[in-house]
Amino acid sequence: AQSVSQHNHHVILSEAASLELGCNYSYGGTVNLFWYVQYPGQHLQLLLKYFSGDPLVKGIKGFEAEFIKSKFSFNLRKPSVQWSDTAEYFCAVIRQTGANNLFFGTGTRLTVIP
Amino acid sequence: GAVVSQHPSWVICKSGTSVKIECRSLDFQATTMFWYRQFPKQSLMLMATSNEGSKATYEQGVEKDKFLINHASLTLSTLTVTSAHPEDSSFYICSAKGLAGGGSYNEQFFGPGTRLTVL
Repeated sequence: AQSVSQHNHHVILSEAASLELGCNYSYGGTVNLFWYVQYPGQHLQLLLKYFSGDPLVKGIKGFEAEFIKSKFSFNLRKPSVQWSDTAEYFCAVIRQTGANNLFFGTGTRLTVIP
Repeated sequence: GAVVSQHPSWVICKSGTSVKIECRSLDFQATTMFWYRQFPKQSLMLMATSNEGSKATYEQGVEKDKFLINHASLTLSTLTVTSAHPEDSSFYICSAKGLAGGGSYNEQFFGPGTRLTVL
């Protein structure tokens, strides 16, 4: 069965620290990959997505993610976090063919301390 | 573009009553809509997938007679929680998939969610 793993459940950083959130998936076929963010009390917003091409994807608000196919990973990074980045971050995967379900990871809560 | 709305945003109801939640794609035609449930501090769990004009496909463990889904048009899907009980209290989120805003077919656009509280 397809699964998405986010190893960090809760990450606490000081402002200006660098961020890397891990995401691994188990499906062996071709996939599309997403990172979503959910700010407190708000709905899911798309941070970035990977469909094909350059495996280093840049998203909004200074976030980027790198797709490493050999490692089945799609880690999210930001060089310098801000207090406003405090939120829940979800990695999600969908197969390019077949079932069109979006599989979510369990989420990582990021707390940025001013 | 690619906006998905949900109504209502928050509903409180008595145990035993039924509640209908609407999900609309405002500026594109949604070939497929999805309903998710999110418990506090947890991830989204897919409940069901619906294609316009056909019966919804429910995930394992989701009671189709309790969570009625109707995808009547390419812009509207409804989720009805029948005979709601306190354990049904949750955050329900819909998403829609279709060719919108230049995005890929596989991209889902999420609604803002509906918070259901059953007393």
